[in-house]
Amino acid sequence: EAGVAQSPRYKIIEKRQSVAFWCNPISGHATLYWYQQILGQGPKLLIQFQNNGVVDDSQLPKDRFSAERLKGVDSTLKIQPAKLEDSAVYLCASSSDDPNEQFFGPGTRLTVL
Amino acid sequence: EDQVTQSPEALRLQEGESSSLNCSYTVSGLRGLFWYRQDPGKGPEFLFTLYSAGEEKEKERLKATLTKKESFLHITAPKPEDSATYLCAVRAATDSWGKFQFGAGTQVVVTP
Repeated sequence: EAGVAQSPRYKIIEKRQSVAFWCNPISGHATLYWYQQILGQGPKLLIQFQNNGVVDDSQLPKDRFSAERLKGVDSTLKIQPAKLEDSAVYLCASSSDDPNEQFFGPGTRLTVL
Repeated sequence: EDQVTQSPEALRLQEGESSSLNCSYTVSGLRGLFWYRQDPGKGPEFLFTLYSAGEEKEKERLKATLTKKESFLHITAPKPEDSATYLCAVRAATDSWGKFQFGAGTQVVVTP
């Protein structure tokens, strides 16, 4: 069974630029999560989708972050404009009917200069 | 507010030297406590789920236990391949969708 795929794996941008990350969850998984993991910290949930609807985006900085999940499968997370404090690893995870079993992708490491 | 605190922040062990990691939590009713392993440059990998005080789970050299306020991850006779960051997360009983609150992790290094 293929795992959660993410791209790109690494991205370096200047502050105020825009960036987008892509995630393909495990086939058949209805729930998709985006987490932000700052160096030395645990992952923090940014947004959660159930199929293509948002069920929790309470910790998403909506003035600069946006996310969508087209057709309930792939998802993109966008930052516009980026700030220095957005430097982090962005993890995508998915789960099927049991939200207690979340499977993580390898992450995208973002560096904002 | 839900909170998860892990200690120590870092742990250096000799191969074969057993030890324990701590995860203390405050949550409005516990729906589940989760342990993950994270290797450098990779996403977290699921290890265990614990649901109620007194529950224990084992996998190879790892054993997780749960009380009403904390969980322990015991590493017995560790090997260098057990080197990783171990993350603890909780899910509140009030959560309907699977929102995890993670701790900062314990970085474990096992030397030969």
